[in-house]
Amino acid sequence: GESVGLHLPTLSVQEGDNSIINCAYSNSASDYFIWYKQESGKGPQFIIDIRSNMDKRQGQRVTVLLNKTVKHLSLQIAATQPGDSAVYFCAEITGGGNKLTFGTGTQLKVEL
Amino acid sequence: SAVISQKPSRDICQRGTSLTIQCQVDSQVTMMFWYRQQPGQSLTLIATANQGSEATYESGFVIDKFPISRPNLTFSTLTVSNMSPEDSSIYLCSVERQGTDTQYFGPGTRLTVL
Repeated sequence: GESVGLHLPTLSVQEGDNSIINCAYSNSASDYFIWYKQESGKGPQFIIDIRSNMDKRQGQRVTVLLNKTVKHLSLQIAATQPGDSAVYFCAEITGGGNKLTFGTGTQLKVEL
Repeated sequence: SAVISQKPSRDICQRGTSLTIQCQVDSQVTMMFWYRQQPGQSLTLIATANQGSEATYESGFVIDKFPISRPNLTFSTLTVSNMSPEDSSIYLCSVERQGTDTQYFGPGTRLTVL
């Protein structure tokens, strides 16, 4: 995909290893968080979500952890595969509204 | 989730012209949104498309530049008016069903302005 302008943080992992992608948020009133995966030339794809009354949520090969004390969110991908290569965005909704605020994104590269 | 399509998928336009982007959903949804994603960057909300009334714009975006229509619960358009090269971006629509907070995105429209 394009990388003109702002360079995204990049995480490189070996195929089969676990990946951890981190996200910091600033608004303590945020109460709903979503992780999206965006492959080159495509729109963001929903991966997993978590509400602020939870600390952890698991999906298929993915786990989201929420630490409200330090306003930190992470996405863990188990047994990373080449098809996981993409840009990952965290997004938050604040105060029961429906406006999504996106983080800057992390480029995940899976090395064979 | 929902099946969301956008037209056109990409376009190259001359400065000063306008382009209308269409977003179609396969089922009725409560909320529809339009986002801009500049090259290599994250997504920024342009506006919320309200069915039967004027769109709600975010700070930095105005109706004259980005007029939006939403005639029914499955369709919306975004027009990028009087384009300049700075408008070169990916424009994405998203939808949200009643009773959920999750937004699902369309494939995007990649716009290049010369």
